[in-house]
Amino acid sequence: ETGVTQTPRHLVMGMTNKKSLKCEQHLGHNAMYWYKQSAKKPLELMFVYNFKEQTENNSVPSRFSPECPNSSHLFLHLHTLQPEDSALYLCASSPHTTSGGLGQYFGPGTRLTVT
Amino acid sequence: ELKVEQNPLFLSMQEGKNYTIYCNYSTTSDRLYWYRQDPGKSLESLFVLLSNGAVKQEGRLMASLDTKARLSTLHITAAVHDLSATYFCAVDISYNNNDMRFGAGTRLTVKP
Repeated sequence: ETGVTQTPRHLVMGMTNKKSLKCEQHLGHNAMYWYKQSAKKPLELMFVYNFKEQTENNSVPSRFSPECPNSSHLFLHLHTLQPEDSALYLCASSPHTTSGGLGQYFGPGTRLTVT
Repeated sequence: ELKVEQNPLFLSMQEGKNYTIYCNYSTTSDRLYWYRQDPGKSLESLFVLLSNGAVKQEGRLMASLDTKARLSTLHITAAVHDLSATYFCAVDISYNNNDMRFGAGTRLTVKP
């Protein structure tokens, strides 16, 4: 496996379910991200992890719970979601750098539908 | 409030024609990125622009950055159907890739 992988690719869940999204990066990066992409909205940054530590939480509802056990893996735990949470959830990673400039690498995304 | 504005948001063009997509942003940054997204797929990095006056070209696409005007352009030359996709610009406001703000995207359709 190369790059950034995400599983599952598609997920349908009820509002009372609990599920988790998984992301794995094989690039040796130290930062990982969760984004939400909804129709008619710009890409929204949800969470940022640097060296396994959460450094950003952009006012995301508590029904989304991230977990980063190591620099290569990132999870997004979901519970009691709402239909408006239906979206494409993208994971990304980037190398740690104090000078920036290398950008982020994205996974294929998980298409989530909440019924 | 930081804004990253792309225009147009929708673009339909004929094969063989030229066009430019614009990305304006409202904060100081000299790191700008262009991504391509095909329907149902992830974002693919196209260009990384790291300084004022930077110009990058790949095939029929050319991107430039004017940090003083806070403007980047993505120019399409002699469009072909394979270029049909959504194109996003993103501004890095953190200097370590950690805080990238994306434009709304330009959905490009190239017709024969």
